[in-house]
Amino acid sequence: NAGVTQTPKFRVLKTGQSMTLLCAQDMNHEYMYWYRQDPGMGLRLIHYSVGEGTTAKGEVPDGYNVSRLKKQNFLLGLESAAPSQTSVYFCASRTPASDGYTFGSGTRLTVV
Amino acid sequence: GDSVTQMEGPVTLSEEAFLTINCTYTATGYPSLFWYVQYPGEGLQLLLKATKADDKGSNKGFEATYRKETTSFHLEKGSVQVSDSAVYFCALSDRSGNTPLVFGKGTRLSVIA
Repeated sequence: NAGVTQTPKFRVLKTGQSMTLLCAQDMNHEYMYWYRQDPGMGLRLIHYSVGEGTTAKGEVPDGYNVSRLKKQNFLLGLESAAPSQTSVYFCASRTPASDGYTFGSGTRLTVV
Repeated sequence: GDSVTQMEGPVTLSEEAFLTINCTYTATGYPSLFWYVQYPGEGLQLLLKATKADDKGSNKGFEATYRKETTSFHLEKGSVQVSDSAVYFCALSDRSGNTPLVFGKGTRLSVIA
């Protein structure tokens, strides 16, 4: 069972570079989420999607864009990376009928 | 907006000690409450949940009771093991589940043999 797969697992970027984080789920879940985890801050919601072709902003959306072109994939983009975006990024998914989230194992991003 | 406050860590306990991690919440409606656990190097996993007042969620020896009068959902375990060392997150969502989970800041637990 793959569940939620995040790629890459680790990445180092230089300030100003761009990149895309990929989240893929094979459980046919409608809802998908991107969170960032920072020391002492817990998890904060960046963007989320309640279905293919739909996205919405979370608590900390600035500097990020997302796309949900296919139901199973949720992409998180950084157009111009900043050191403040150094974090661990987690993707999660769920069905509308369930309130339990399935999380990926995370992407550790460092911006230098 | 809705928020969750949980006790600051880290918490260090000896094996077989009693564990309490406090969690209180602020919500405009009548939320569902959750505890998630994150083991080193992994993503979060649902540990237990409760959806209405006085409900008790339980799993793997952990328990938490939904207390509406005190807006609390404290996590307890009678006898911790080294394998319980992890970060624990309290979280809430509205009853409909339409709003994303709101997490507390997490409490790191270390259990020593």
